[in-house]
Amino acid sequence: EVQLLESGGGLVQPGGSLRLSCAASGFIFREYALSWVRQAPGTGLEWVSTISGNFGSTYYAESVKGRFTISRDNSKDTMYLQMNSLRAGDTAIYYCAKSQQGIVARDFDSWGRGTLVTVSS
Amino acid sequence: QSALTQPPSASGSPGQSVTISCTGTSSDVGGYDYVSWYQQHPGKAPKLILYEVSKRPSGVPDRFSGSKSDNTASLTVSGLQAEDEADYYCSSYAGTNNPLFGGGTKLTVL
Repeated sequence: EVQLLESGGGLVQPGGSLRLSCAASGFIFREYALSWVRQAPGTGLEWVSTISGNFGSTYYAESVKGRFTISRDNSKDTMYLQMNSLRAGDTAIYYCAKSQQGIVARDFDSWGRGTLVTVSS
Repeated sequence: QSALTQPPSASGSPGQSVTISCTGTSSDVGGYDYVSWYQQHPGKAPKLILYEVSKRPSGVPDRFSGSKSDNTASLTVSGLQAEDEADYYCSSYAGTNNPLFGGGTKLTVL
């Protein structure tokens, strides 16, 4: 059974930094693309970033490009999201999501429970 | 790129069918057969219910079906049940690994 467990969320001041982690199990981690998808309170889903399996190519939404960095450690079956220069608009539940593909994210077949990031002074 | 367009709400009585639309452009929905649909109950993570327009993951009832015509994809829920009440989101691959989501539709079972 695929399991994805996010951690690292919390309250941070505007301009601050936070690193999220996603620990995975139940599948061959290095073979699949993984993504972060966020959901601001009371709103819809927004794709944030994707990292491909094996070669680790990275992709970002325009809203986070230059501020967020996605990475993965295939030896630890863990994905990360380093978030810098955080803004109030980044406040959201951040979900870790696995794709059925290895290189690109055409769909998200498994999701974690999410971790809440609140950016506020 | 803009989000895909979904109606904010839909409703139906138990046993009835309801269809939710998802409209994009020729650069996303119309350009690829990579439309997926997600069901999200309050306080829960989204769940994949359809992918590649009309394919169902294992365990998803065949009451859920999908189709696409030009730049609009549709999700149909047949034989509505109380547990189908949830938010539904569509998503489409849009090239250069830039998946787009719709704004979501709140489905109410009357």
